[in-house]
Amino acid sequence: KAGVTQTPRYLIKTRGQQVTLSCSPISGHRSVSWYQQTPGQGLQFLFEYFSETQRNKGNFPGRFSGRQFSNSRSEMNVSTLELGDSALYLCASRPTPTYEQYFGPGTRLTVT
Amino acid sequence: AQSVTQLGSHVSVSEGALVLLRCNYSSSVPPYLFWYVQYPNQGLQLLLKYTTGATLVKGINGFEAEFKKSETSFHLTKPSAHMSDAAEYFCAVSDQGGKLIFGQGTELSVKP
Repeated sequence: KAGVTQTPRYLIKTRGQQVTLSCSPISGHRSVSWYQQTPGQGLQFLFEYFSETQRNKGNFPGRFSGRQFSNSRSEMNVSTLELGDSALYLCASRPTPTYEQYFGPGTRLTVT
Repeated sequence: AQSVTQLGSHVSVSEGALVLLRCNYSSSVPPYLFWYVQYPNQGLQLLLKYTTGATLVKGINGFEAEFKKSETSFHLTKPSAHMSDAAEYFCAVSDQGGKLIFGQGTELSVKP
């Protein structure tokens, strides 16, 4: 089976812009979660989607949003980018009802 | 609330020596525990998982971990380190949903 794929792999944006990141889960996995990884804060949970519904949300401002499509693919959007949003954004899928998550390679976002 | 503490942000071992990476968790529900490895510029790869059953869990690449409820620990070991084991390792606990709570990570260096 193909693994989790994320596009794009690298992205450079300017403060104030918005960005959309995409994630395709492993075939058959209906749950998709997003994480932000920074040197200072480590790995932090953003949100989880299952069957097109957000089931869980981390402690991030409303500028961070996401959605999931009927084919389980997911997108994450960040509006009004700030310098502190520079991070590696990781998407993970899991075969519910189990709990292990499988991660994609990430999207490296740099905000200048 | 659940939390994970990894003791030691950097661990250095010689090639062929024992690898021991420490993880302690806090959970109000029966925990599901995981170890992930991250190589530079890559996503997270699942090494092993503990859900229920046998407390000694074997994973990929010769790694194993033992769940000790009385000590709230889930330490990762490998009898003999290889140069290819140099990476960052993360311990994580699941909230029994789509959210993983990660430790701060331990960077493993392997000296020739």
